[in-house]
Amino acid sequence: NAGVTQTPKFRVLKTGQSMTLLCAQDMNHEYMYWYRQDPGMGLRLIHYSVGEGTTAKGEVPDGYNVSRLKKQNFLLGLESAAPSQTSVYFCASRFRGSSYEQYFGPGTRLTVT
Amino acid sequence: AQSVAQPEDQVNVAEGNPLTVKCTYSVSGNPYLFWYVQYPNRGLQFLLKYITGDNLVKGSYGFEAEFNKSQTSFHLKKPSALVSDSALYFCAATGANNLFFGTGTRLTVIP
Repeated sequence: NAGVTQTPKFRVLKTGQSMTLLCAQDMNHEYMYWYRQDPGMGLRLIHYSVGEGTTAKGEVPDGYNVSRLKKQNFLLGLESAAPSQTSVYFCASRFRGSSYEQYFGPGTRLTVT
Repeated sequence: AQSVAQPEDQVNVAEGNPLTVKCTYSVSGNPYLFWYVQYPNRGLQFLLKYITGDNLVKGSYGFEAEFNKSQTSFHLKKPSALVSDSALYFCAATGANNLFFGTGTRLTVIP
């Protein structure tokens, strides 16, 4: 099993450009998450999904959109990138159920100039 | 507001000495509690979790954590630190559908 994979690993955007980050998991997990990690702020939840076709806002959703058209994929979109969105983005997934243990991807480092 | 606090940004310990990384939480109900570790340029890796039962939880790589309900704490411990334990450690607590993460503690084990 590949677990949770993220593409791309690195990206540099200019202000105003758009892009989509892809997260894929092969563990048949129902729940998927997008976080951003910034120095001194830990991980903050952007959006999450509890199943195919459903999404919900997290702590810092502004400037991002998501889609979960297939159970194994969770896409994070930036429609008009801003320097404040320079960060490391992590995707995670887990089974629905009582464990709550999340499995993380390797991250995408995004720089917006 | 629900939150997880890691009061120390940095913890330094000599190799072979015991280590403690502190975590307190302010989350409603009886949350599950987690510790994750992050090595440079990698994603977070699960170390251990507390759900219920024994207050001392054992996890991967010789780590353990002590749950204290009255102090709402979940401190990470290891009896003898290794240089390879140097990493960024995150404490987390369950919310409705997600985890609340602390800001992380960078552990440096000095040879």
